[in-house]
Formats: sequence, structure tokens, C-alpha cells
Amino acid sequence: DAKTTQPTSMDCAEGRAANLPCNHSTISGNEYVYWYRQIHSQGPQYIIHGLKNNETNEMASLIITEDRKSSTLILPHATLRDTAVYYCIVRPGVSETSGSRLTFGEGTQLTVNP
Amino acid sequence: DAGVIQSPRHEVTEMGQEVTLRCKPISGHNSLFWYRQTMMRGLELLIYFNNNVPIDDSGMPEDRFSAKMPNASFSTLKIQPSEPRDSAVYFCASSPPGGRQYFGPGTRLTVT
Repeated sequence: DAKTTQPTSMDCAEGRAANLPCNHSTISGNEYVYWYRQIHSQGPQYIIHGLKNNETNEMASLIITEDRKSSTLILPHATLRDTAVYYCIVRPGVSETSGSRLTFGEGTQLTVNP
Repeated sequence: DAGVIQSPRHEVTEMGQEVTLRCKPISGHNSLFWYRQTMMRGLELLIYFNNNVPIDDSGMPEDRFSAKMPNASFSTLKIQPSEPRDSAVYFCASSPPGGRQYFGPGTRLTVT
């Protein structure tokens, strides 16, 4: 799996957009970008994933550069409950019949301040 | 949907004792994963199953660790004998075919 690089920590004001960057310069053509987060003492939670195109769901938006070497997770209106460690993970596309591993790095500790 | 269920949520045991962690995946999911999280090593995959068959156990630390999945609705992770360095939070996750992983609440293990 391709390696990812994220800042160790970031701060964001409540109500503002949080933009979390991730570098994955060695990503290959069949690898997806996944984002998970882990709120203190809880299990990781899926946020969003994408291959080439930008993606949006009820939690966040994912912007992937055209060369796919980096991406940004955007939380449009951060709340105190968004304080967590955010993990950017690159993994191959999974088959329709089986799953595959996730390799977690150190992630970015996002702190949302009142 | 109850989500992934893990038991016990907390376990305190003495060195040398056998520890068994349990996981019930989400119904309909065919992949199950066991992870371990420590401050030193972060979140690491121990083993995962597809359709009850172990696919990759390269993350299992040593022979003291074993995992089984006797059916689609139950899995165990056993440590025998346990050591203080096994103290960690153990997460179980499951995923449907081709889908994302859903994590359980974890079991916090303390070996004294």
C-alpha cells in the first residue's frame, strides 16, 4: 500500500471549515484514498473515500488533485465533536466478494476550539 | 443495527493467564478484522478473515496469539499466556463484500 504523510496536528475554530491535507505521492492507479477518524477512546469511524473525482457526503468533502498525489479532507463547519485523530489511508480497490486490510499511519490530531 | 459487538469492554488479568476476546460482526458482513492499538505502535492489523477463512495473519505478534472464526457471526482472539506488553485496546471490525470497515468499541486489556 502507498505511504501517506499528514501533519501531526491542526487546530480549527468552531464553525469554520477544517481542511486536512494528505500526501500520497506513490499512489498507484488502482488505489483509493480513504479517510477515517477516531474520537478519543472509540473505534475508528469511516468518513469518505474516493478514486479520482471529488466526493461529498453528509460528513465531509474529499478533494483529490488531478495527479492524485495529494488530497484534502474538508469538514465544512467544524464542531467540538469533530475533535479527533483523522487518518488518511491508501488501499487497493476491494473485490466484490472480499475485503482488504487498512494500514493506519499516525494521522492528524484535529482540535476544534470554541 | 447493533453494530460490531465486542466483549468484554474491559479486561484486567495477571501475567500468564489466558485471555479471550470476542467479536460479533454486523450481520451480512463477510470480512472480519482484528486490530490492536497502543501508544507506541499505533493502530495495527493483527489478522483478517474473509468468509470465515484467515487471509492474512502476518500481524499476529507470536504464537501466544491465536484467532478463530468458527462461523459468520462470531470470532475470538486468544492470548495464552498473556504478558504485560500485550496491554492495549483491541478492536474488531467487519465489512460487507467490497465495502468499508465498521469498527467495534474495542476491548481495553490490561495485563499486570
